[in-house]
Amino acid sequence: DAKTTQPNSMESNEEEPVHLPCNHSTISGTDYIHWYRQLPSQGPEYVIHGLTSNVNNRMASLAIAEDRKSSTLILHRATLRDAAVYYCILRAKGGGADGLTFGKGTHLIIQP
Amino acid sequence: DAGVIQSPRHEVTEMGQEVTLRCKPISGHDYLFWYRQTMMRGLELLIYFNNNVPIDDSGMPEDRFSAKMPNASFSTLKIQPSEPRDSAVYFCASTEDRGNSPLHFGNGTRLTVT
Repeated sequence: DAKTTQPNSMESNEEEPVHLPCNHSTISGTDYIHWYRQLPSQGPEYVIHGLTSNVNNRMASLAIAEDRKSSTLILHRATLRDAAVYYCILRAKGGGADGLTFGKGTHLIIQP
Repeated sequence: DAGVIQSPRHEVTEMGQEVTLRCKPISGHDYLFWYRQTMMRGLELLIYFNNNVPIDDSGMPEDRFSAKMPNASFSTLKIQPSEPRDSAVYFCASTEDRGNSPLHFGNGTRLTVT
């Protein structure tokens, strides 16, 4: 499986934008980029996913590099509730038939 | 929809005892996954089912672990006999049979084996 690399931790201030990077230099042409987050004492939660184009939803935006070797999850205005571990995961097209492989993720700390 | 429901939320047991963890997936979801999370190893996929049939159990650590899905709305993960190294948070997740549909996770069962 293609691997992803994320910083172990990041810190940001409340009400400011947060940019969470992910490197995936061995991504294949059919791999989707998925992001999940895990709040304290909860199960992982889907955030967003994309293939080539940038994607937006109510939770976040996903910016994908033109060569697809990296991507950035953008939280436009962080709140204390966004403090969580964020996982960047590659998933093959049609990947409903297998589970996700989680790395260590990025521990996001939000300062009030 | 209530989401994926796991029970119990917490389980404390003594070494050697049998432990059964339960999961109710989201109605209509065709896939069910069992994960284990520890500080040392992170989130690990143990086994998954498609239409109630086990598809891949290569992540099950050893024969002490077994999982069943008798119907579309219920699955169990059993550990017999339990050992202290089985202490972890066990998550269940489900998803639809469509490519790249998100996985929906329950809130987990925190298992402590003393």
